[in-house]
Parts: sequence; structure tokens; C-alpha cells
Amino acid sequence: EVQLVESGGGLVKPGGSLRLSCAASGFTFSNAWMSWVRQAPGKGLEWVGRIKSKTDGGTTDYAAPVKGRFTISRDDSKNTLYLQMNSLKTEDTAVYYCTTEGVVVTAPYDYWGQGTLVTVSS
Amino acid sequence: QSVLTQPPSASGTPGQRVTISCSGSSSNIGSNYVYWYQQLPGTAPKLLIYRNNQRPSGVPDRFSGSKSGTSASLAISGLRSEDEADYYCAAWDDSLSGPNVFGTGTKVTVL
Repeated sequence: EVQLVESGGGLVKPGGSLRLSCAASGFTFSNAWMSWVRQAPGKGLEWVGRIKSKTDGGTTDYAAPVKGRFTISRDDSKNTLYLQMNSLKTEDTAVYYCTTEGVVVTAPYDYWGQGTLVTVSS
Repeated sequence: QSVLTQPPSASGTPGQRVTISCSGSSSNIGSNYVYWYQQLPGTAPKLLIYRNNQRPSGVPDRFSGSKSGTSASLAISGLRSEDEADYYCAAWDDSLSGPNVFGTGTKVTVL
């Protein structure tokens, strides 16, 4: 069974940093492309960024609002995905979801974690 | 601001058929697959439809997807109370620098 468990969310002041983690199990993590998707309170879904598998180059892509501030990385030895968030803004307040891409079916975001809440406020 | 437009709400009584639209353009829906996600209250989204009209294992056949031109639709037949949720479409957009974009979302209410 595919499982994704996010952690690391919390309250941070504007300009601060936070690192989210996503522990994966139930599939071959090293072969998977992974994405982060966020949802601001009461709002819709927004793609944050993606990292490809190392065999596919391990490259990353980011949405315009977070480019240059957020960094996605992975540790395949620990089956863990990370999201390093720097220079946080109040508009980054959201639930952050870790998602898989095409693990079981050929689809983006075919599995989701339960999410972790990040609140950016002074 | 999303490039995929959905009606903010839809509703029906138990047993009815409800349809949700997703309107895009030639750079997204018109040339790429459409995906649908269901988000039950207080939970994470779940993949409901992939590649326009395919259902992952475990998704009831009451849910069906279709695409025509630059629009797509999700139909829920035999509406049940447990279908009350937010529904989002998504598609790759060739004109943007990132992967799939999401629709604005539709809240389905079972009356």
C-alpha cells in the first residue's frame, strides 16, 4: 500500500525558513517522480514543484511564486522527499501535500499524503 | 490564477446525475489529458479520473469523465451523500513552465 507521511509544518515568521519532509513507503521511491502541491485555507490546489527520479536526471521544476525561494530534494536511501522553504511570505500559508507521479497509474498526483500545515505569520 | 475554469458549485438529490464542467484552451485541455480529483471534507485529494475517462482501481463506475475540444466534464450518476466533496480538474498546459495546472474547483452538495 502506498503511503506518504508529511511532517515539519508549523508556525514561522515572515522571512523565516522551514523544511518539510515526506516519508514514502509501499512503492519503489527511487524510481518515482514526486511533487509538492499546496492548498491555502479555503482555496484551491496549487502545484509547488517537482523532482524527477535520479535515473531521469533528478532535475527539479518550480512554480513561479516559489522559484528561487523553495528547494525540493530527495534522499532515496531514506525514501524521503524534502521541501526547503526560505524567505517565507504570508501568502505561503497553506497545507502542503506530498504527491506521487505515475506510481500506480499514468497520472500526475496519483497518491497524496495527509498534508502538513504551514502558517506564516508575525 | 487558474487557467482551467469550473463552476463554483453544483448540487443534486440522492440518485440524481450531476455534471461538472472544466473549461480550458487549446494549450491545455485541447491538446492534453484531463484528470479529476475528489477532496472529501477535511481530507487530502484523491485521484478520481485519469487520461480523460479512466478510473483507478476502487473508484466506482458512477464516476465518469469525458473531453470534447477545450472542455471536459465529470459526471456523477446515482448521487450519494458520500459524494459531497470538492472536485478539481487538472491538465498539462503547454504554454506554462510547469506541469499540470488545476481547475478552480467545484463544491458538490447533496441536497
